[in-house]
Amino acid sequence: AQTVTQSQPEMSVQEAETVTLSCTYDTSESDYYLFWYKQPPSRQMILVIRQEAYKQQNATENRFSVNFQKAAKSFSLKISDSQLGDAAMYFCAYRRGSNDMRFGAGTRLTVKP
Amino acid sequence: NAGVMQNPRHLVRRRGQEARLRCSPMKGHSHVYWYRQLPEEGLKFMVYLQKENIIDESGMPKERFSAEFPKEGPSILRIQQVVRGDSAAYFCASSPPGLSGNYGYTFGSGTRLTVV
Repeated sequence: AQTVTQSQPEMSVQEAETVTLSCTYDTSESDYYLFWYKQPPSRQMILVIRQEAYKQQNATENRFSVNFQKAAKSFSLKISDSQLGDAAMYFCAYRRGSNDMRFGAGTRLTVKP
Repeated sequence: NAGVMQNPRHLVRRRGQEARLRCSPMKGHSHVYWYRQLPEEGLKFMVYLQKENIIDESGMPKERFSAEFPKEGPSILRIQQVVRGDSAAYFCASSPPGLSGNYGYTFGSGTRLTVV
């Protein structure tokens, strides 16, 4: 079974600084997809960024980028120029094909003004 | 183009009552997934459905919980004889048909169930 581990229950960052959230996963598959979701206090799950395992290039979406290390099964999220609106729970997720998505336990990010 | 619609947003039930949670997927999405989120925890997979079929219910408790996705109408997650431990946020997500793992889910806003 695939498992996703987020080892940082909480992180904090100063506004305008950079923060990296860690995620590791366990799988025997070679073709899969990885995601980061953001959950603000509104509870809505918002897709932040996604990565296809067959692509070596790290995905980037504006201030959000990932460091995907396939051999190490690591998928960290970097948030640059942090903003107050980035404060939320962040969940790492794994998915293969149309199967269900497996989530980590989450990291609560606090942004200090 | 409405997103995934879940209702009700909040549901309060007394112990022993039944809870019915509804989910209408995005237009064109035929795959529906239900997740449960306990306070301060991540999302736990419960069940994966396509129209009129349960594809994977490995995350669903064997008793009291059931799910359906009929040919017409929304997907329903049904919890019979609720207990306090069922209190949680229940999320529905949908995705397009086919091997579309490269798509993330589109999530609904969730239903917060409180059992008193």
